[in-house]
Amino acid sequence: GAVVSQHPSRVICKSGTSVKIECRSLDFQATTMFWYRQFPKKSLMLMATSNEGSKATYEQGVEKDKFLINHASLTLSTLTVTSAHPEDSSFYICSAPTGNTEAFFGQGTRLTVV
Amino acid sequence: AQSVTQLGSHVSVSEGALVLLRCNYSSSVPPYLFWYVQYPNQGLQLLLKYTTGATLVKGINGFEAEFKKSETSFHLTKPSAHMSDAAEYFCAVSYGQNFVFGPGTRLSVLP
Repeated sequence: GAVVSQHPSRVICKSGTSVKIECRSLDFQATTMFWYRQFPKKSLMLMATSNEGSKATYEQGVEKDKFLINHASLTLSTLTVTSAHPEDSSFYICSAPTGNTEAFFGQGTRLTVV
Repeated sequence: AQSVTQLGSHVSVSEGALVLLRCNYSSSVPPYLFWYVQYPNQGLQLLLKYTTGATLVKGINGFEAEFKKSETSFHLTKPSAHMSDAAEYFCAVSYGQNFVFGPGTRLSVLP
């Protein structure tokens, strides 16, 4: 079946640095990908919709200059957390839909900013 | 806006007992409905989904869910819990490609 690969699975970075998270659809093309953030013991909150060949669409309250999204190809979307701070520490998950009734999720990235 | 509620943030059952995780959605138009399972520090794995057709849906690992339009519910059940079922379970709705997730229910299975 369709697989979405997310990398890295864990990353620790210093405050003020930037971190890039990759989300790849391995055996299908995804013109749209979604990025979610999950706080501890909380549900997934949609951050933004990544669109191949155009700008990402951000949800209300999400800083687009902090969370840079680039959908460079039909199989790759990246989320860059810029100038990371400890409050950005979280679990980030991407997903890629295949049609209107299915979406595959990446393994998630645990970001810790120290 | 759509919303999803899951009654009980934490459910504990004994091994071999019935598992019942509740999910209700708020919408006048039935959405597509999903249940996902998440193990610690991992992504989401699809358990089952309802789109159209039969309202009782069978999924992986012995789970099933029934869509009840009159109750706007999509409760997840499993006749006999196994220790490996301990995880976080999320109900989600979709009207297209985007998903709205419920708050999740943590299932603990006691020996």
